[in-house]
This record gives sequence, structure tokens and C-alpha cells, in this order.
Amino acid sequence: DAGVIQSPRHEVTEMGQEVTLRCKPISGHDYLFWYRQTMMRGLELLIYFNNNVPIDDSGMPEDRFSAKMPNASFSTLKIQPSEPRDSAVYFCASSPARNAEAFFGQGTRLTVV
Amino acid sequence: TQLLEQSPQFLSIQEGENLTVYCNSSSVFSSLQWYRQEPGEGPVLLVTVVTGGEVKKLKRLTFQFGDARKDSSLHITAAQPGDTGLYLCAGVGFVEYGNKLVFGAGTILRVKS
Repeated sequence: DAGVIQSPRHEVTEMGQEVTLRCKPISGHDYLFWYRQTMMRGLELLIYFNNNVPIDDSGMPEDRFSAKMPNASFSTLKIQPSEPRDSAVYFCASSPARNAEAFFGQGTRLTVV
Repeated sequence: TQLLEQSPQFLSIQEGENLTVYCNSSSVFSSLQWYRQEPGEGPVLLVTVVTGGEVKKLKRLTFQFGDARKDSSLHITAAQPGDTGLYLCAGVGFVEYGNKLVFGAGTILRVKS
């Protein structure tokens, strides 16, 4: 298996633009997580899905953030409109169980100017 | 305030030296995971400790879980430049956080040759 695949690896966008981050989890993993990592706040859980259903989105910072998982092999995290303070590395991770080992993708480095 | 406090935040040592990094909390974990993250990559699981007092060894790395399951340490013997990275601990079983995996802020380790 190729592991968790995220795209794009890098994204630079202007303030106010819509940004969509993509994730393909490991096949057979029932859990998918979206994290945000910054120097100031470390690794924060934004939202997680179980069997394509959002379970806990309490970490989503604002209504500008939304996430979907239309099927077991694809998820998106969308920011609309984007702001400079959204600049961070966004990680997607998948796991066979909620608190089992999390397998992370390589991340998307987002810069909002 | 971080639920999991990691110390030190930064550590720069010479190749061959020994070091210990710590992960502490006032809450009890059901288990704790240690991850290493290299620049430009996602975190990768090193070990999971479950039982109070448990010690696990992974080559030159020794992981210990406190008897009360509130703290953990990672000791590296004869550090190598390849050990350079961000070391993250992640606790499982925090009821106040919905039993989700919660990450500490990490320890940045640099091993100079």
C-alpha cells in the first residue's frame, strides 16, 4: 500500500480564496483524521470520520472550515474564505481503529498571503 | 495550556551522547504513543505503551510508562544524526477530550555529527 496520500503538497493562495485539500486514506482503514500543525499550537485534531461519517468536528476552528468524506477512499478539507492565519501544515491520517496507530500522510503546506 | 507537556522543547546534542525527553500530564492515560516526525514528513509511530511501569526498547531507544500512567519518557543511547526530528507523545483515554488521541507539542531534537 502506498500509504496515506495527500494533495497538493504545497498550496499558496491569496486571502479570500477557496482552498481544497485532498486525502486518500489507506484501504481498509475505518477512521480518517484531519490535523493542523503550527509552531504555536502543535498538532491539533480538526475532525475525524468513522466509516465516512463525521464523528467529532469540535476541533474545526470556524465555519469557514468544512470537511467531507463522500466514500471510503477520499476526503476533502475545504477553507472558504481563506485567511493568513490559516497558514499551517495540514495532515490527514487514517487508522484501523480510533485510538490505534495513526498513519499520516506527508501533509499539505498551506500559505495564505 | 497543553494537556500533555513535553520537555525539553528543544535539544541539540553531539553524536554519541545520551538524552532523555519527557511527556507529562496531570491526567491518567489508558495508553500512550510516541511518534517521530522528520522535516517535510508526517509523524511515524515508534511505540505504544499500555501498562503502568512498562518499558519497551527499540534498538537504541528506551520508552518507559510511569507507574501511575500519567507520564512517560524516551531515552536515546548514543544518539545518531539520523535520530534528528520532532518527537511527539500522544495520549489516549482523556475523558475530557472525548477519549481522542491528544498530542503534546513535541521535542525538537538535533544531533550534530
